[in-house]
Order: sequence, then structure tokens, then C-alpha cells
Amino acid sequence: DGGITQSPKYLFRKEGQNVTLSCEQNLNHDAMYWYRQDPGQGLRLIYYSQIVNDFQKGDIAEGYSVSREKKESFPLTVTSAQKNPTAFYLCASSETSGVGYEQYFGPGTRLTVT
Amino acid sequence: LAKTTQPISMDSYEGQEVNITCSHNNIATNDYITWYQQFPSQGPRFIIQGYKTKVTNEVASLFIPADRKSSTLSLPRVSLSDTAVYYCLATNNLFFGTGTRLTVIP
Repeated sequence: DGGITQSPKYLFRKEGQNVTLSCEQNLNHDAMYWYRQDPGQGLRLIYYSQIVNDFQKGDIAEGYSVSREKKESFPLTVTSAQKNPTAFYLCASSETSGVGYEQYFGPGTRLTVT
Repeated sequence: LAKTTQPISMDSYEGQEVNITCSHNNIATNDYITWYQQFPSQGPRFIIQGYKTKVTNEVASLFIPADRKSSTLSLPRVSLSDTAVYYCLATNNLFFGTGTRLTVIP
């Protein structure tokens, strides 16, 4: 059963702590993405990766970090430098990052920082 | 990168055809136009994609005029389960706007 998994579904942290969100795909896709969505808003791109060991910043990369050591995994770390980390985080993948390739999304992780 | 403009919200009665228009005046020659659907607390789901003229699949049709500066997503005979946010992308698929919130009324 191919797809993208994100874990956990809900995550609670205290302010000042780093937290890592998991994203795994078994679709053999080269490209992976992280988006942030705030209530009533659209998706904003945090980071994306076109290939293993390479990634690029999106619109709102400050306060976040990623790694892409394996093709199937693209974890996102929300650092204490991120001023408003509470949000819904979505991971996606596509065959490549070129034009015309649809993205497949995971179920999302809702992060609450207090 | 081509920015897109969509209506913020639309209402429709159940059983009607719904047309959502997206404006993308700065679309690049190699840009495709892609539409996604998102339900609350879920990731977006691909609906349809096209480059020009008309594309149809089992759930929707996409109309793109010759100048490609706009596109229209057409949902035939909507049901309550079509209530969702619809996003139009006219870039290399990395950038989502705020979308159109469609509410289907019984």
C-alpha cells in the first residue's frame, strides 16, 4: 500500500524545545516537500528536496531545518527560533520537482506549542 | 513565478454545476495548471491538470483559453461531499495560494 506517512498526528511541546516531525514515503519519488498551514490560510512552502542530500529553502524556512539522507525520508525540525510554531504541517512528494508532476500529500501533523 | 488569483469563497446548491475561475496573468510557457482539493485537517488531493484547451477526468473538467491567462475548474452536479477548499496552481507546483472555499448547500 503506497503512500506518505506522517507521525505523529498530534504533537504537543513546550516553548523553547526543538521538535522533529517525521515524513516517510514508499512511492519511490525523488522530490519531497514540507508545507505549513495556519487556520483558514493556504499552504506555505518551508523546504523542498529534489534529490537525496540536497534541499532548498521555501518561502518561510527561518526557524526550521531539514535533512534528506534517504530517498524515502524527509524529517522536519522545528527549532526554538521559530517564533510561531503552532500550525498544521503537511509533507508531500512527487516523482520529480519539474513542471507537470502532481504532489501526493500525507495526512499532516498538528503541532501545538505552549 | 506566476501568482494565481481565485475567489475566496463560493456557495452552490447540491446538484448544480460549479465553475471556479483562476487568474494567472504571468503564467510561463512551461507552466501547467493544476487544481487540488483540500478537506479540513487533511492534505490536499490532486484533482486535475492541464496545459491548454480542455481536460476532463472522472471528477472534473478544466477549461483553459488560448492565452492561458486564466482557467476554469468545472465540477458537475456537486454534492455535499464536495464542500472543500480548491487551490489553483500555475507554477511548477510548489506554491499554493489561499484557495476557494466551496460550500455546497442542501
